[in-house]
Amino acid sequence: DTGVSQDPRHKITKRGQNVTFRCDPISEHNRLYWYRQTLGQGPEFLTYFQNEAQLEKSRLLSDRFSAERPKGSFSTLEIQRTEQGDSAMYLCASSPRAYEQYFGPGTRLTVT
Amino acid sequence: AQTVTQSQPEMSVQEAETVTLSCTYDTSESDYYLFWYKQPPSRQMILVIRQEAYKQQNATENRFSVNFQKAAKSFSLKISDSQLGDAAMYFCAYRSTGNQFYFGTGTSLTVIP
Repeated sequence: DTGVSQDPRHKITKRGQNVTFRCDPISEHNRLYWYRQTLGQGPEFLTYFQNEAQLEKSRLLSDRFSAERPKGSFSTLEIQRTEQGDSAMYLCASSPRAYEQYFGPGTRLTVT
Repeated sequence: AQTVTQSQPEMSVQEAETVTLSCTYDTSESDYYLFWYKQPPSRQMILVIRQEAYKQQNATENRFSVNFQKAAKSFSLKISDSQLGDAAMYFCAYRSTGNQFYFGTGTSLTVIP
């Protein structure tokens, strides 16, 4: 059990470009969450998967954001037409039960 | 929507002393979970302690304990015998019945040797 991993750890992109992040949860964890964290703030919920089904999605999430978990294992988060306001740390967490989460190290996105 | 408020952006404590971090939340739900997470500098977030709303007994994990006041919607974290390794950002979080987690803005804890 190596923990939740995220790739890449850092991403610098130019405004208007598309970016994709990957999250590999802890094996056998059927629940997976994506969060966005900006400097000085707590994590902001983006979306939640149970197995391959996307069950919850924040109403704050722009249509430029999409997430998938095709086989109920790893997940990807894509941001289309990035904006400077998308610069943040993107966190992934997985869990085997509803009341706990194990966080990954995050992907830091910088949009120039 | 649920909100979580941490009114102390920064706190400090002398090593070996006790410190209490405050958290309040707003909800209309009766069944939920509350959490304290710790995020050390440049390191990933880890769970410190969890409280189920239906349990009246306050949760305790070694040097960490909570004071859960359901009617007041208050959930404070007490750290006893503070250690240098306790220095971190601490986030209070609420889990709704809809599987969404809401986090506060965090309290930065400094431990003074």
